Amino acid sequence: EAQLVESGGGLVQPGGSLRLSCAASGFIFNTYTMTWVRQVSGKGLESVAYISADSSAIDYADSVKGRFTISRDNAKNSVHLQMNSLRVEDTAVYYCARNTFWSFDIWGQGTLVTVSS
Amino acid sequence: QSALTQPPSASGSPGQSVTISCTGTSSDVGGYNFVSWYQQPPGKAPKLMIFEVSKRPSGVPDRFSGSKSGNTASLTVSGLQAEDEAHYYCSSYAGGYSWVFGGGTKVTVL
Repeated sequence: EAQLVESGGGLVQPGGSLRLSCAASGFIFNTYTMTWVRQVSGKGLESVAYISADSSAIDYADSVKGRFTISRDNAKNSVHLQMNSLRVEDTAVYYCARNTFWSFDIWGQGTLVTVSS
Repeated sequence: QSALTQPPSASGSPGQSVTISCTGTSSDVGGYNFVSWYQQPPGKAPKLMIFEVSKRPSGVPDRFSGSKSGNTASLTVSGLQAEDEAHYYCSSYAGGYSWVFGGGTKVTVL
């Protein structure tokens, strides 16, 4: 069964950094593009970072461009999100999601990031 | 403010149908047949219910159906059941490597 498990969330002060990880299992990881999607409590979803199967294509939402970096390690079946210069408005549950057929067919359980002083 | 517009709530009695709209622009919903819908129960991760406007992943009941006309997509849940109570989000490919989402619709089974 295909599965994604996120880790690395927590409480961090404004201006701080955090690195999220997503471990994949149950599918051929290096054939799928991956996306980090976040959800502010009680609000909608926002796609924040995308990475192609071979890391040749990467893109970010304008709200995180220049502060977040997405990467993947196909040998370890994992994708990461390095978040720097964190702001209060980055507080959200962060999900990693597998892309297929121009949609997101597998989601992790999410990891909570809280940016507060 | 979300990129795609959904009504905040919808409701129906068991056995009835409910339809949720999702309005975008010609740069997203109207420009591609890549609209998807997600069901999110409280405290859980989203689950893909519809992809490419009207296709259902394996395991999703045929009570769930999708359609699109111009810049507006719709999700219809027929034969409402108590287990269908959840938030529903639409999403559309928006070109390049970007996707946009709706603000979500809370479906209540009366």
